[in-house]
Amino acid sequence: DIQMTQSPSSLSASVGDRVTITCQASQDISNYLNWYQQKPGKAPKLLIYDASNLETGVPSRFSGSGSGTDFTFTISSLQPEDIATYYCQQYDNIPITFGQGTRLEIK
Amino acid sequence: EVQLVESGGGLVKPGGSLRLSCAASGFTFSSYSINWVRQAPGKGLAWVSSISSSSSYIYYADSVKGRFTISRDNAKNSLYLQMNSLRAEDTAVYYCARGLGFCRGGYCYARRFDYWGQGTLVTVSS
Repeated sequence: DIQMTQSPSSLSASVGDRVTITCQASQDISNYLNWYQQKPGKAPKLLIYDASNLETGVPSRFSGSGSGTDFTFTISSLQPEDIATYYCQQYDNIPITFGQGTRLEIK
Repeated sequence: EVQLVESGGGLVKPGGSLRLSCAASGFTFSSYSINWVRQAPGKGLAWVSSISSSSSYIYYADSVKGRFTISRDNAKNSLYLQMNSLRAEDTAVYYCARGLGFCRGGYCYARRFDYWGQGTLVTVSS
């Protein structure tokens, strides 16, 4: 199975800060990587697909980059409504696997 | 509007069975892979099972293989998950999620989950 390792596991930032989360795959997954946002008590929401493509309707302050084994998710200017847990997910191989999540809090 | 609505969750004893359903609307159900993803209390997301649009390709996580069965009825726009021999570690919120298809090397599954239901809680406890 492909292991997805996110870092950090949690982070605290201020409104307006640039926030970066990384995701490392245990083997080369090309750009077969997606990012999701999950707010407390809610279902996950797709934000970024194929490593760098913004899902329709998602604000442009969210972005993704990377290929191979190393990926980055960025919020360019943190907003209060961005408080959530973020997950990366690979689809290079079955089983589909997720990172362990990064919990984002407001400082 | 795309909607996925899960039902069938509840409290069940270890070794028991439960059948989850997911009712879909707002899109051509028969054109999409549909998946189950679960989340144990306070934990992260874990993919459980996937079924292709015509039921030709079905996959399971090792943790549920042989105990869970995924199926769909395209005429009823519905997805099912029959869960047998339930264990405490199966306790989770179960989400159904629409998947955009991806085929490679003889495998066909979802490359991303673009719509999710609200989830249904399954609790396995004596």
